[in-house]
Amino acid sequence: GQQVMQIPQYQHVQEGEDFTTYCNSSTTLSNIQWYKQRPGGHPVFLIQLVKSGEVKKQKRLTFQFGEAKKNSSLHITATQTTDVGTYFCAGPRNAGNMLTFGGGTRLMVKP
Amino acid sequence: DTGVSQNPRHKITKRGQNVTFRCDPISEHNRLYWYRQTLGQGPEFLTYFQNEAQLEKSRLLSDRFSAERPKGSFSTLEIQRTEQGDSAMYLCASSLGVSANSPLHFGNGTRLTVT
Repeated sequence: GQQVMQIPQYQHVQEGEDFTTYCNSSTTLSNIQWYKQRPGGHPVFLIQLVKSGEVKKQKRLTFQFGEAKKNSSLHITATQTTDVGTYFCAGPRNAGNMLTFGGGTRLMVKP
Repeated sequence: DTGVSQNPRHKITKRGQNVTFRCDPISEHNRLYWYRQTLGQGPEFLTYFQNEAQLEKSRLLSDRFSAERPKGSFSTLEIQRTEQGDSAMYLCASSLGVSANSPLHFGNGTRLTVT
């Protein structure tokens, strides 16, 4: 079945450094969604990418969908302590009826 | 705030007991999902409803698990004869639409500990 993999699993950065997490799917995706889960919280939707090669920005966050629609990345510029949390990518499977989540990348930011 | 509501927030039970969790989705959302999350992992799909119809169940969902959404509004997830391996966070999510292309709105989850 479809698998969604994320790397790295963990990332420690100094506040102000950049951060990138990568997401790879074993199958072509119709779209990809990104979620953030703060420590002790629940996943919160960030963004959805639909088009091949699409790039979207939210302030310091840049999301990219690969040309083949099998990979995606999230880049955070100049991290802040408020960026702490686990970032998950998720892609639809089973004719788009449910989302498969990656294992997540846990970001820790040292002030 | 009319977000997704789950209760209880925490449940501690002894092995072999039955437990039931409740989820109240966002009122206009027709889709409701149950996911399970263990420490350091991403949410794993369990089952979903389109209105009151349960349309898919994961192979992870053993016969001890049952979910209902009787009137297409709130949902319950029951686990019978709990095992220690059932310890996890059980997340409910809802969305509006006819596919998983719509963003999921998650509740705060029910953390189950089986002793």
